[in-house]
Amino acid sequence: QKEVEQNSGPLSVPEGAIASLNCTYSDRGSQSFFWYRQYSGKSPELIMSIYSNGDKEDGRFTAQLNKASQYVSLLIRDSQPSDSATYLCAVNMDGNQGGKLIFGQGTELSVKP
Amino acid sequence: DTEVTQTPKHLVMGMTNKKSLKCEQHMGHRAMYWYKQKAKKPPELMFVYSYEKLSINESVPSRFSPECPNSSLLNLHLHALQPEDSALYLCASSQDRRRGNSPLHFGNGTRLTVT
Repeated sequence: QKEVEQNSGPLSVPEGAIASLNCTYSDRGSQSFFWYRQYSGKSPELIMSIYSNGDKEDGRFTAQLNKASQYVSLLIRDSQPSDSATYLCAVNMDGNQGGKLIFGQGTELSVKP
Repeated sequence: DTEVTQTPKHLVMGMTNKKSLKCEQHMGHRAMYWYKQKAKKPPELMFVYSYEKLSINESVPSRFSPECPNSSLLNLHLHALQPEDSALYLCASSQDRRRGNSPLHFGNGTRLTVT
């Protein structure tokens, strides 16, 4: 069973701090990785995608991928109360199972003013 | 606002009813998906359509019947549901399911309650 694991949290950080969210995956052949943000009662919103080792930055968000360690992370700099949400790590299956996103359980982030 | 539109936003139905959920996208995507999400859980894949053909069925009970009339539309027909089927039903689309760098974009979902 291919798995994606995240700490469920809740992760609590003060406003202005860096929030660090982590994810590991079991399928070494995985090639595509995504972070979704989901506010309570809403649908998942894509915030980052990463496909190669290293860092990818977009505004206050940085995604990091290490395929050798099967590890992907999301850093949120200058955290704001509006960042409080559940963050879902997702890994895309390849080949015939392409498009089948495997989600982690999600990490609940709370940013305190 | 999302570019994947789902209707209705909310639906309450009895166990003997027949209803349909609708999804529409105009991004030219060729893959469309139905996911089910229970509270405090991640989305679970139900069906994948690729180029209007059913590609993946995750062993979903037959009381859920998907339909893809054309590349922009996706329906989910519901019949004889159980209370445990109450959940948020999410539609998503992507450019091409076989392209790994083709992220899914979700609609706002339909909140379904089965009484």
